[in-house]
Amino acid sequence: GAGVSQSPSNKVTEKGKDVELRCDPISGHTALYWYRQSLGQGLEFLIYFQGNSAPDKSGLPSDRFSAERTGGSVSTLTIQRTQQEDSAVYLCASSFRSGGAYEQYFGPGTRLTVT
Amino acid sequence: AQRVTQPEKLLSVFKGAPVELKCNYSYSGSPELFWYVQYSRQRLQLLLRHISRESIKGFTADLNKGETSFHLKKPFAQEEDSAMYYCALSGGANSKLTFGKGITLSVRP
Repeated sequence: GAGVSQSPSNKVTEKGKDVELRCDPISGHTALYWYRQSLGQGLEFLIYFQGNSAPDKSGLPSDRFSAERTGGSVSTLTIQRTQQEDSAVYLCASSFRSGGAYEQYFGPGTRLTVT
Repeated sequence: AQRVTQPEKLLSVFKGAPVELKCNYSYSGSPELFWYVQYSRQRLQLLLRHISRESIKGFTADLNKGETSFHLKKPFAQEEDSAMYYCALSGGANSKLTFGKGITLSVRP
């Protein structure tokens, strides 16, 4: 079946502009995660959604970052006033439920370049 | 706080040689440990998890709570094993993954 999809695959933006990154999780998966993969920091957790519960935003690096999940499905990660240090690959993952017994399936990522 | 350490960035071996990718962790509770793999131009995918106690593609990993380690091993490396490997830990209610920095495994013919 279809896996996790993300769009766009690549995004080049100018410093100071806002960007939106989209994630379509696997149908029926209630848990959704955003991670960031950068050269200096490796893979870092950003935010987590589980069903209708309040999201865990503990990994967001600044208040320029926000995310929402509409209807328990599609999620959008928004970065306002982008900075060069925001350049990274942004990964989305979903799982049937939260918990180590449930595998997280990753999308292909969005490569963001801030010039 | 939870932390995962992969002390090496690169391991290069010849085909048929044994492989051990090291992973140490720090976590106050009972962690769940994973190895993820990313082949060239492919997405990140789960290789194995400690709770399954299974061998995938000839790889095994044993959780050693005394040494807080979860090293990944394979007795005879194959060229198709060349990839980036990440050790990860999950703990707490949200099951977020804390990753190590990753290691590039290069298997030469």
